[in-house]
Amino acid sequence: DAGITQSPRHKVTETGTPVTLRCHQTENHRYMYWYRQDPGHGLRLIHYSYGVKDTDKGEVSDGYSVSRSKTEDFLLTLESATSSQTSVYFCAISEYRVDEQYFGPGTRLTVT
Amino acid sequence: ILNVEQSPQSLHVQEGDSTNFTCSFPSSNFYALHWYRWETAKSPEALFVMTLNGDEKKKGRISATLNTKEGYSYLYIKGSQPEDSATYLCARDRGSTLGRLYFGRGTQLTVWP
Repeated sequence: DAGITQSPRHKVTETGTPVTLRCHQTENHRYMYWYRQDPGHGLRLIHYSYGVKDTDKGEVSDGYSVSRSKTEDFLLTLESATSSQTSVYFCAISEYRVDEQYFGPGTRLTVT
Repeated sequence: ILNVEQSPQSLHVQEGDSTNFTCSFPSSNFYALHWYRWETAKSPEALFVMTLNGDEKKKGRISATLNTKEGYSYLYIKGSQPEDSATYLCARDRGSTLGRLYFGRGTQLTVWP
C-alpha cells in the first residue's frame, strides 16, 4: 500500500468555523490531489498540486484553499465551514501527471 | 463539466458468472481513461490506466478495453467471485488538463455466493 495518511479521520465541526485537513505521504510523489465524495456524485476534484507551492483548482474549489510547503504534506482548508461541505474527503497521490492515483483512507467531515 | 457516464448503476450476479460494464465519455480531447475498484469502507484502488485506442489491459480475471474514437471503455470480470463485490469507477483525463480526473458515478457490483 502506498504510504498515505489523512488526519483527522473523523471530524464534527460547527458552521462558520475553520477546518484544516492534512494529507501526508511517504512516497515522495510529486502530484497530490484532494477529492470529495458525496452520495449521487462521483469523486470530484477540489484542488491539486504538481509540486511544492504549485497548486491549481479542480472542479469544485469554491470555499476551499490548499497549501503545500513540503513534498510530503498537502493541506486542505475550509475557511468557514458550511453544511454543504459535509462530505468524505480523499487525498490521492501520483508519481507522474498521467498515472494511476493512490488514495488515502479518507476523512469524514460533518458540519452541523 | 465532462460527462463520464457509467452503466449499469448496479449489477447483481451469481458467483461464477462473467459480467461487464460500460464507461462512456466525450471522445474529443481525450488523453487517458482510468478504472478504479472501490470496496466498501476502503479507498479506491487503481486497476488500469489506458491511453491508446484499441488498448486492452488485463489483471487476473479482470480486463478492460478502450475505444477512444467512439468514447467508451468496457470492463470485464470473468468468473465473478464474492470478493469482486465493489463499486467500479472510471475516470477520464483530458489532454488539456492532464492529471485532473473526471469520475463517473460508478457501477456497484454484488456477487452472490
